[in-house]
Amino acid sequence: AQSVTQPDIHITVSEGASLELRCNYSYGATPYLFWYVQSPGQGLQLLLKYFSGDTLVQGIKGFEAEFKRSQSSFNLRKPSVHWSDAAEYFCAVRAGVTGGGNKLTFGTGTQLKVEL
Amino acid sequence: GAVVSQHPSRVICKSGTSVKIECRSLDFQATTMFWYRQFPKQSLMLMATSNEGSKATYEQGVEKDKFLINHASLTLSTLTVTSAHPEDSSFYICSAAGTGGSSNQPQHFGDGTRLSIL
Repeated sequence: AQSVTQPDIHITVSEGASLELRCNYSYGATPYLFWYVQSPGQGLQLLLKYFSGDTLVQGIKGFEAEFKRSQSSFNLRKPSVHWSDAAEYFCAVRAGVTGGGNKLTFGTGTQLKVEL
Repeated sequence: GAVVSQHPSRVICKSGTSVKIECRSLDFQATTMFWYRQFPKQSLMLMATSNEGSKATYEQGVEKDKFLINHASLTLSTLTVTSAHPEDSSFYICSAAGTGGSSNQPQHFGDGTRLSIL
């Protein structure tokens, strides 16, 4: 079964600074990988996804993530953080076409705080 | 595009009441919908997978008689928490995946329902 680890529970960065949120996954084959963002009391918004192809994927709101198979990682990055980026970020993995359909497994999340 | 509407956003009710939560895909058809439960400051835990026209598949440990799921159309799934008790208080979130080649369809999430049982 697949699993996801987000090592950092909380991260604080200054506005304008760069950001990297870590995500490691465990899955036997090529996974489908996602990053979602959740504002307080709301649902999840998809930032970006990786299915195949170019290992550097671009998402919304200036975010990008890089799939590194050798490290089983899918870290989320943003070159310059805005105060509005403060939220909870979830990494998720899904088995591929033959591995259990659309079921997502989420990491425990990273709470991002942005200092002005 | 890919908007999922969840209603109500917040429910406060007495113990023993049954509560129905609706999840609608507004601008796409969803073969599969998912129901999650999220405790404060924790991740999302999948409760069940709902496929249109068939019975829901529940995750281990989730009581199917307690959490009734109906997916009667390609745009609507409902979760009914029957005879709710305070321990059922939580944030419930639904998501929907489109029909176009299901393997490449990401899940789109509703805004969640905050359920508080007194």
